[in-house]
Amino acid sequence: DAKTTQPPSMDCAEGRAANLPCNHSTISGNEYVYWYRQIHSQGPQYIIHGLKNNETNEMASLIITEDRKSSTLILPHATLRDTAVYYCIVRASGGYQKVTFGIGTKLQVIP
Amino acid sequence: DVKVTQSSRYLVKRTGEKVFLECVQDMDHENMFWYRQDPGLGLRLIYFSYDVKMKEKGDIPEGYSVSREKKERFSLILESASTNQTSMYLCASSSALGNQPQHFGDGTRLSIL
Repeated sequence: DAKTTQPPSMDCAEGRAANLPCNHSTISGNEYVYWYRQIHSQGPQYIIHGLKNNETNEMASLIITEDRKSSTLILPHATLRDTAVYYCIVRASGGYQKVTFGIGTKLQVIP
Repeated sequence: DVKVTQSSRYLVKRTGEKVFLECVQDMDHENMFWYRQDPGLGLRLIYFSYDVKMKEKGDIPEGYSVSREKKERFSLILESASTNQTSMYLCASSSALGNQPQHFGDGTRLSIL
């Protein structure tokens, strides 16, 4: 699986959009980008994933650059409950491939 | 919504005990996984299963075994608990179809005294 690089921490004002970047310059053609988050003392929560097109669901939007070497997770209106560690991972298609988290980005939403 | 339920959030056991951690998913997923998560070591795969009665070793299977007698249930067994197995244990499940993500339970924080 391709390696990802994320900033270790970010702050965002409550109600504003949170834009979390991820670099995955060695991504292969069959690898998807997945985002998870983990709130303290809870299990990881799946957010969104995509291959090359931008994706949106009820939680977030995922913007993948045309060359697929980076992506941005957007939380459109951050709330205090969005404070968590966010993990970007890259993984090939295949249901029983393991998930490996890097350090992630600790997002602090500020009132 | 996908629901992965782990039987206990917190568990305290003694060294040498046999410990059972249970996980149930309600999405008819083929694949199920057991991980442990430790500070500084990230997420490590212990075992996974891609079908009933099937199991595959992950990266750190020593000291653990698993059981999958029904599709929705995947059990992790610590045969003789040791203090170095104190950890957060996470169960996950996923569909066998292509690019589908794994969904995690809330975890069991296990302490071995």
